[in-house]
Amino acid sequence: GQQVMQIPQYQHVQEGEDFTTYCNSSTTLSNIQWYKQRPGGHPVFLIQLVKSGEVKKQKRLTFQFGEAKKNSSLHITATQTTDVGTYFCAVPTNAGKSTFGDGTTLTVKP
Amino acid sequence: DTAVSQTPKYLVTQMGNDKSIKCEQNLGHDTMYWYKQDSKKFLKIMFSYNNKELIINETVPNRFSPKSPDKAHLNLHINSLELGDSAVYFCASSQRGRGLFFGEGSRLTVL
Repeated sequence: GQQVMQIPQYQHVQEGEDFTTYCNSSTTLSNIQWYKQRPGGHPVFLIQLVKSGEVKKQKRLTFQFGEAKKNSSLHITATQTTDVGTYFCAVPTNAGKSTFGDGTTLTVKP
Repeated sequence: DTAVSQTPKYLVTQMGNDKSIKCEQNLGHDTMYWYKQDSKKFLKIMFSYNNKELIINETVPNRFSPKSPDKAHLNLHINSLELGDSAVYFCASSQRGRGLFFGEGSRLTVL
């Protein structure tokens, strides 16, 4: 079935530093979604990318979809303590289900 | 108003017992899901229902039985609970091809 590799598994940054998480697939994706899960919380949908080479921004978050539609990244500029949590990518597989990456857990030191 | 609500939020029970988790969504979505999140935070899909019909049934023990009385509800019943069933179970809903909206989760602890 569809697999997606997400790296790194953990990232510890100082407040104000940047952060990036990457998702890679061996096959071409129709779209990719990104979610954030705060500690003790539930995953919250952030965005869906559909077009090749697409770049979308949400305040300090920048989402990119690769030209070949096989990889994607989420970049956070100047992290804040409110950014802590686990970030997941999710890709569609057959029968309409979403397969989640293993997540990148971000901790921010004030 | 909560978009996807699931109850109970916490379950603590003994091995061998049976338990149910209920889920309701008021978003008008046509697809509902059950996901299991283990202690390492990996999110694995268990079931998916589209308009009350089962469309995805991943490799989960048949002790797990979902039921969808209507397209706004998806319940999960678990028989003969085992230690390895301890996890957080998330209900989610979506409109086909769009993002998932998750409930707050039900943390199941089997002793």
